[in-house]
This record gives sequence, C-alpha cells and structure tokens, in this order.
Amino acid sequence: GAVVSQHPSRVICKSGTSVKIECRSLDFQATTMFWYRQFPKKSLMLMATSNEGSKATYEQGVEKDKFLINHASLTLSTLTVTSAHPEDSSFYICSAPGQGIAFFGQGTRLTVV
Amino acid sequence: SQKIEQNSEALNIQEGKTATLTCNYTNYSPAYLQWYRQDPGRGPVFLLLIRENEKEKRKERLKVTFDTTLKQSLFHITASQPADSATYLCALGENSGYSTLTFGKGTMLLVSP
Repeated sequence: GAVVSQHPSRVICKSGTSVKIECRSLDFQATTMFWYRQFPKKSLMLMATSNEGSKATYEQGVEKDKFLINHASLTLSTLTVTSAHPEDSSFYICSAPGQGIAFFGQGTRLTVV
Repeated sequence: SQKIEQNSEALNIQEGKTATLTCNYTNYSPAYLQWYRQDPGRGPVFLLLIRENEKEKRKERLKVTFDTTLKQSLFHITASQPADSATYLCALGENSGYSTLTFGKGTMLLVSP
C-alpha cells in the first residue's frame, strides 16, 4: 500500500520557538494532504487541508498564522507551529488520500516546555 | 448537528471471541464508511471501506456491515487475538470521490489471553 512518512515522531521545544513537521508521500503523489490534531483519548480533529501549489484551507478556529502550512511539491507538505506554547502540545498527524482512502503518517508528538 | 458516535467505553473480550464495535451517525448521508485501527502514539491504519450500496464487506477475520436505514455500521473481528487490541475508528465520507473524512472518537478494544 501507499506510504506516508511523517517526521519527526517526537519533538520537545521551548515556549516561543517554532517547530516544523514534515509529511511525505513516498510512493505516490498527493495534491492534497490533511493535517490533524489529536488530544489523548479524543478524536482526530481536522486542522487544515494542504493544497499543492496554493494556499491551505483552514478549519474554523484554527489560526493560520500560528499553524503555517506549505505544500511545495506533490510529495511534501509541512506544518510549522510558530511561537509554540504549552497548549500547543499535542499529537499531530498528516494524511494523504490515495485510491479513495486516507494514508496516515506515523504522527508527531509535540511537547512544548 | 452532525454526529458520529462510537462507544467511548473500552470493549473487553476474551481471546477467541468475536468483537463487535458500533458506529452510529446522524445528519450525514455518507457515500462510504471506513474503519481504521490506531495503536497508541501512532497514526491510524486503514482496514476496510464499505460503500452506501454495499451491505457487508469481509477481509480475513474482519467483517463490516453498513445499514443506511439504521445509520449504523458494525465492525466485527472474529477469533480475536491479543494483538487485535487497539482503538478502532470509523470515518464517513460524504462524496463519491475522495473527500475529507470525518472521524468518530474511536472505541478501544482489549483482548485478554
């Protein structure tokens, strides 16, 4: 099946710094990728839809200036958490559609201290 | 409002038994429904897709049913094994082509040896 690679799997950063998370489709092209956030024992919350070559579409309540998304190629989307705060600590997951289903990355555990 | 409901309480069963998980939805007209497995600290992994015009789908020990009248899907794992222990998520897609999936919160399954 298709593979989506997400990196890093874990990151700890200081408050006020920025963190970049990469999501790559390894063996297929993805004009669209999705970024989710998941709190413990909660459902996946869609944050934004990343569109190759154009601006991302953000869900209501998600700050576009805080969560910067860049989809510069057909195989790579990045999510940058800017000026991170402890409340941004969470599990972030990307997915890319292929053959009508969602292929997910491994997820990134972000801890802001 | 739209809702996807999965039993929030963990399902505990004994090895060898059949596990049955439920996904109910309201105010959706899904074109298809999918089931995913998520292990702790990992991204979800696709298991099965069933379309609105299909009543049942099987894959090895897995069986999914889809009742659009009851607005319910049942997910069965026969001859369950401890390795089946995980959280299982249902997801709805409302367009015939790939669209943003909406996920339920998931149900944790624990299979005891």
